[in-house]
Amino acid sequence: DTAVSQTPKYLVTQMGNDKSIKCEQNLGHDTMYWYKQDSKKFLKIMFSYNNKELIINETVPNRFSPKSPDKAHLNLHINSLELGDSAVYFCASSQAGLAGDHLSGELFFGEGSRLTVL
Amino acid sequence: GQNIDQPTEMTATEGAIVQINCTYQTSGFNGLFWYQQHAGEAPTFLSYNVLDGLEEKGRFSSFLSRSKGYSYLLLKELQMKDSASYLCAVRNPGGGGNKLTFGTGTQLKVEL
Repeated sequence: DTAVSQTPKYLVTQMGNDKSIKCEQNLGHDTMYWYKQDSKKFLKIMFSYNNKELIINETVPNRFSPKSPDKAHLNLHINSLELGDSAVYFCASSQAGLAGDHLSGELFFGEGSRLTVL
Repeated sequence: GQNIDQPTEMTATEGAIVQINCTYQTSGFNGLFWYQQHAGEAPTFLSYNVLDGLEEKGRFSSFLSRSKGYSYLLLKELQMKDSASYLCAVRNPGGGGNKLTFGTGTQLKVEL
């Protein structure tokens, strides 16, 4: 029943390791996102895909690589993890991802994946 | 650039009314959202304004003035469960897609 699901929910790992977070949505939305929420609770967009195509790529280290095998899935792979990567990573999806339309296009968030780098 | 400001913390009493303000300066505007986030949980959608004026939805209302770059979220008949962080977010038409830029959130504490 879960609309946007992401795994794992918790991830504890050592510096220098590589890890992946997976996300799936069953809402039929065309657009999916990765957001990062730091320890001060600031929520910042990282990437957005529309129908498997990358449309937003904020200033994110290239150690972060998103992959969208189909429009219902968006995964995030992180290489060479650093202490500063510790955060909660939220996947989200929305409909009507086109600029200029006046539909709400609200985001539906997954439960978050709390990454702790030691 | 994008700049979205909201107070860091607010405290209010159960049963009262509270208004959380948000001011924004963004390079484009295509709607303003309010989200609620309880500790350890995902943000959930509360309201959306794209035209000036007040949108009411039960105990929650949201107001927008585009000329002033200003919005507020009004919560009436406060309940303990309303203790949460309230995030103001602006949708930008530029950059492709449905890009939301969030403020840092207002932590609301409801007391007896």
